[in-house]
Amino acid sequence: KNEVEQSPQNLTAQEGEFITINCSYSVGISALHWLQQHPGGGIVSLFMLSSGKKKHGRLIATINIQEKHSSLHITASHPRDSAVYICAVGNNNNDMRFGAGTRLTVKP
Amino acid sequence: EAQVTQNPRYLITVTGKKLTVTCSQNMNHEYMSWYRQDPGLGLRQIYYSMNVEVTDKGDVPEGYKVSRKEKRNFPLILESPSPNQTSLYFCASSTSTNSPLHFGNGTRLTVT
Repeated sequence: KNEVEQSPQNLTAQEGEFITINCSYSVGISALHWLQQHPGGGIVSLFMLSSGKKKHGRLIATINIQEKHSSLHITASHPRDSAVYICAVGNNNNDMRFGAGTRLTVKP
Repeated sequence: EAQVTQNPRYLITVTGKKLTVTCSQNMNHEYMSWYRQDPGLGLRQIYYSMNVEVTDKGDVPEGYKVSRKEKRNFPLILESPSPNQTSLYFCASSTSTNSPLHFGNGTRLTVT
């Protein structure tokens, strides 16, 4: 079993839909990261969380430390949101573990 | 502009020919790390460094070396590349693992 599990693996939505991507982890963590990778390959950090909730524009990330679970929400999705979204956890040993990614396609 | 610079972007080489992928950051970050990304396996950490002269193995360090002689540079060295090291490589830096990561643009390596 992977230490970081993401669901779903693939997600297709219509423009304007509300999207949720989930991440569960089984290790102790010091921080959880949500990353975005566009088809060109570059990776951008969206959020870094250790507790609670963060919001940036149409993106919201939440984390529940007790349940070892995080969600990434996208409101009013747009075709430009199409990308692979990756959950990553930094543990107390300072190394990183990654989820397999969720491939999101938003259709106009 | 704050950035992580990786070079080269693309590299094709042959088995056994030593190569170095460079990584440099201009943000005075203490933490730097290398990852490889393979289809179906996602991102995996190769090595990381918490500060100058401090490096540690990640998930998949076999076949790789790193050095951290200066804070800004963290080169990845493949002493004797093999075809199973064909992959997309990313360097990243941050203040710490509890801070947002800044990624380089990636290096696509093919070993024939």
